[in-house]
Amino acid sequence: DIQMTQSPSSLSTSVGDTVTIACRSSQSISTYLNWYQQRPGKAPKLLISRASNLRGGVPSRFSGSGSGTDFTLTISSLQPEDFATYYCQQSYSTPFTFGPGTKVDIK
Amino acid sequence: QVTLRESGPALVKPTQTLTLTCTFSGFSLNTNGMCISWIRQPPGKALEWLAVIDWNDDKFYSTSLTTRLSISKDSATNQVVLTMTNMDPVDTATYFCARTPLHEIRVVEGGLHYSYFGMDVWGQGTTVTVSS
Repeated sequence: DIQMTQSPSSLSTSVGDTVTIACRSSQSISTYLNWYQQRPGKAPKLLISRASNLRGGVPSRFSGSGSGTDFTLTISSLQPEDFATYYCQQSYSTPFTFGPGTKVDIK
Repeated sequence: QVTLRESGPALVKPTQTLTLTCTFSGFSLNTNGMCISWIRQPPGKALEWLAVIDWNDDKFYSTSLTTRLSISKDSATNQVVLTMTNMDPVDTATYFCARTPLHEIRVVEGGLHYSYFGMDVWGQGTTVTVSS
């Protein structure tokens, strides 16, 4: 199975800050990397597909980059509704695997 | 509008078999490239992918749970069913289904390689507690 890691596991930040979350896969997955946002008690929401493709309706302050084994999610000018947990997930091959998550909370 | 909704028992006893149903609308599982996944999330923990089924009835499972899982579809009723045998308290979780479009199938040494887009629409989830 392809293993996914994320860093940091949590971070405290303020509205207006820029946040970068890293995700790494244990083998090359090309650009088959997806980012999800999950708010407490809610289902995950797909933000970015194929490493850098922003889903329709997702604010442009979210961006993704990377290929191969190293990927990043950047949130510019953090808004109150962005405080949530973020997961990366590889869809290069089954079994799909998720990262352990990064919790973004308010400082 | 694409929607998915999970249903099933809220409580099962250890050793019992869990049966969950995902009822979807707004797309067809007969369409080339359409797939549905099941994912679970224990309380306070990360997401764990369980299984996927595609329009061609191909099925793939979590490596660690493959002996306990079975996924099937009924395209006429727009439902996908997941069964998990021999339930244990560690299987207590919220179970989600999600649409998972296929990106491409490539011929590689040893067979076919399937790659997918992200899980783009999720159900709200159903919580299952395993307890005697």
